Amino acid sequence: AQSVTQLGSHVSVSEGALVLLRCNYSSSVPPYLFWYVQYPNQGLQLLLKYTTGATLVKGINGFEAEFKKSETSFHLTKPSAHMSDAAEYFCAVSSNTGNQFYFGTGTSLTVIP
Amino acid sequence: EAQVTQNPRYLITVTGKKLTVTCSQNMNHEYMSWYRQDPGLGLRQIYYSMNVEVTDKGDVPEGYKVSRKEKRNFPLILESPSPNQTSLYFCASSFGESTGELFFGEGSRLTVL
Repeated sequence: AQSVTQLGSHVSVSEGALVLLRCNYSSSVPPYLFWYVQYPNQGLQLLLKYTTGATLVKGINGFEAEFKKSETSFHLTKPSAHMSDAAEYFCAVSSNTGNQFYFGTGTSLTVIP
Repeated sequence: EAQVTQNPRYLITVTGKKLTVTCSQNMNHEYMSWYRQDPGLGLRQIYYSMNVEVTDKGDVPEGYKVSRKEKRNFPLILESPSPNQTSLYFCASSFGESTGELFFGEGSRLTVL
């Protein structure tokens, strides 16, 4: 079975500072990887995804993530945090058949003014 | 507007009283699924459906039922709710391929007393 580990359930950064949210996965086959964001009282929405090709993936709102197969990682970064980035972030991997998605436990990002 | 609609958004009920949470999508998606979100556990898949009349168990199906009689609808049924089913529930849909993103509803917060 596939699994996703997000290190750090809570991350705080100052406004304008680098955002780094960590995600590691376990998969016996090439994975498809996703980052979702959840704002308060809302459903999840896609930030970015990696399927094939370029390992550096750019998403919405200035976020990007790099797929590193050797490290089985897919960390999410943003060069400069904004107050509106405060939310919960979930890393996810899908099965090869598209039947199932496996989510990490989430990282709550706080941005300090 | 493309969307996944869940109802009710909030519900308080008592142990043993059958309830149904409805989910409808207007994107002609093949795939639909249900998740529950609990603090510290992230999202866990309850059931999923690859197409009409095709459903399968996810990671935490105990105590739940689903049906997929129409492509757009995927209700979640709790025949005899118990307090451990108190949770935030999300319905999601996609085109069904492994690289496709999930589109989420806004969530249904269920409390079982």
